[in-house]
Amino acid sequence: QSVLTQPPSASGTPGQRVTISCSGSSSNFGSHYVYWYQQLPGTAPKLLIYRNNQRPSGVPDRFSGSKSGTSASLAISGLRSDDEADYYCAAWDDSLSGYWVFGGGTKLTVL
Amino acid sequence: EVQLAESGGGLVQPGRSLRLSCAASGFTFDEYAMHWVRQAPGKGLEWVSGITWNSDSIAYADSVRGRFTISRDNAKNSLYLQMNSLRAEDTALYYCAKADEYQMRDYFDFWGQGTLVTVSS
Repeated sequence: QSVLTQPPSASGTPGQRVTISCSGSSSNFGSHYVYWYQQLPGTAPKLLIYRNNQRPSGVPDRFSGSKSGTSASLAISGLRSDDEADYYCAAWDDSLSGYWVFGGGTKLTVL
Repeated sequence: EVQLAESGGGLVQPGRSLRLSCAASGFTFDEYAMHWVRQAPGKGLEWVSGITWNSDSIAYADSVRGRFTISRDNAKNSLYLQMNSLRAEDTALYYCAKADEYQMRDYFDFWGQGTLVTVSS
């Protein structure tokens, strides 16, 4: 059971806009940023969104992130076949002595 | 270009030990916190351990605390994970990840390709 809650799957057709949700709690999202990672099949995770809504250089503006209270979401517009991947949210959690937590991951299928 | 190269994985029997290494290049290693994150076959990501730039703060996931030890050698640009009393549930691909800055809570901005650890008799 992951500390952050994501839907296990999402899907869309090319060109569509899809959103992936991530739910946390006061000990993580309540006072810390949310991050999103993309893991293409057979590869290492790659930073997609940092500090809630910032994109690293090289990440297309089709990807956007937002956070409100203890919930966050990743939106992908103009869906492409090569967006098919697993997406993970992450955050620092202040529980105990502090540690990193991830969502269980959402597998995005482009139909 | 940031590069992280993990090594040391393999097949090991339950209860035995293994030491993972991560060789870093392309950035000033001693200015950044570093982490180990693992991924069991077909499963999601799980943070294992982190260490600050100067090793003054170290943290572990509950699942490995007391069995795993993270360390770093800034002179060698290397990160390590000593894994003792290994269990079947430790079977995973272990990633080395660089933090954005020097603290434990700074996010992971680059990941290595991982080294596979299989715990089985």
